[in-house]
Amino acid sequence: NAGVMQNPRHLVRRRGQEARLRCSPMKGHSHVYWYRQLPEEGLKFMVYLQKENIIDESGMPKERFSAEFPKEGPSILRIQQVVRGDSAAYFCASSPTEGTGGYTFGSGTRLTVV
Amino acid sequence: AQSVTQLGSHVSVSEGALVLLRCNYSSSVPPYLFWYVQYPNQGLQLLLKYTSAATLVKGINGFEAEFKKSETSFHLTKPSAHMSDAAEYFCAVRGVTGTASKLTFGTGTRLQVTL
Repeated sequence: NAGVMQNPRHLVRRRGQEARLRCSPMKGHSHVYWYRQLPEEGLKFMVYLQKENIIDESGMPKERFSAEFPKEGPSILRIQQVVRGDSAAYFCASSPTEGTGGYTFGSGTRLTVV
Repeated sequence: AQSVTQLGSHVSVSEGALVLLRCNYSSSVPPYLFWYVQYPNQGLQLLLKYTSAATLVKGINGFEAEFKKSETSFHLTKPSAHMSDAAEYFCAVRGVTGTASKLTFGTGTRLQVTL
């Protein structure tokens, strides 16, 4: 039973390029959460999605960032026109329902903008 | 809105000594509380969780935490530290349903274990 799969593990982009991060939740999980971790900081919530729906995007920057979780396929976090300040580790987590359990996290994608 | 505060960004203990990592929460309703551990360049692993059942929660790797409503605390303890416990530890809180169900993390405590 595979866990939460994130790819790529490492991503290098030049300023102005687009970054696309993928997250495949655990089998049977229909809730996906994206978090960003800046160096020496905790995890900051970005967005909460269910299949084909954005439930809470209160942590998403207003520009350049978008997320989707289509009916088929992985969840995608897209960052357009990346800047140096976007360099961070991006973690995805999934859960089966809104129940009492904690989330299962992926190993993260480490984005470096050069 | 829920939040957690972790006191002490760095904690150093000797191998075999007691580990105590502090976490205080703020919530208008009884929350769900979690402790996660993160090893270098890895994701987060759930250590334990409190979901309004027993106030003393036992987790993996010998860790436990006690929910104290009167103190709004959920401190993480381990009787005897091991070198392999060196990592970053995050306390987190979440609401019960809907948009409140996201996890909100503290800023983390880096645990160092010395010989």
